[in-house]
Amino acid sequence: GAVVSQHPSRVICKSGTSVKIECRSLDFQATTMFWYRQFPKQSLMLMATSNEGSKATYEQGVEKDKFLINHASLTLSTLTVTSAHPEDSSFYICSAILGSGNTIYFGEGSWLTVV
Amino acid sequence: GESVGLHLPTLSVQEGDNSIINCAYSNSASDYFIWYKQESGKGPQFIIDIRSNMDKRQGQRVTVLLNKTVKHLSLQIAATQPGDSAVYFCAENAGSNYKLTFGKGTLLTVNP
Repeated sequence: GAVVSQHPSRVICKSGTSVKIECRSLDFQATTMFWYRQFPKQSLMLMATSNEGSKATYEQGVEKDKFLINHASLTLSTLTVTSAHPEDSSFYICSAILGSGNTIYFGEGSWLTVV
Repeated sequence: GESVGLHLPTLSVQEGDNSIINCAYSNSASDYFIWYKQESGKGPQFIIDIRSNMDKRQGQRVTVLLNKTVKHLSLQIAATQPGDSAVYFCAENAGSNYKLTFGKGTLLTVNP
């Protein structure tokens, strides 16, 4: 079964509005989670590292004021796309590190469509 | 900058055949490699990983080979099944920060 859960799996929002995507670790604590973005037929691109209790670390070229990340607890990180535009439409995926084996597991992804 | 890439963007095999998916990486500092399977519309699914102190690791029907000399990684799938049809990504990490750099992906199609 899934060890990392995302919600919603699909969301449609109007241009100019904000939308929040949740990433939860199931039955384990994740002090660090990662957010990726994937455009159709392309690879995953790391957006930011979400750190519980501190600010997220963003990759070069990713606007921190547009993609707000909040690691609210040891099992939850949220990504808020602010003032969304059609070009923000993408597949957003989170990941978390599980256990002493340090295996990286991904969530099921969230499809965002901005109309 | 350095990146992970794949030799073959598509691979088509017959059911029951063995599949080999290749990946070249250029960051000599990378010490952790992972293969993921991604089905359409879903998140990446962990298949197998390998650290740089190993050159081979086996799982159920899958084997990952690492050749650090030529910076090459491969995923072998034995007795490929239609359910194996998906896009396969290799990913690399340098250091202990678990920030992954993904390759372009290979679309594997298994014909019944």
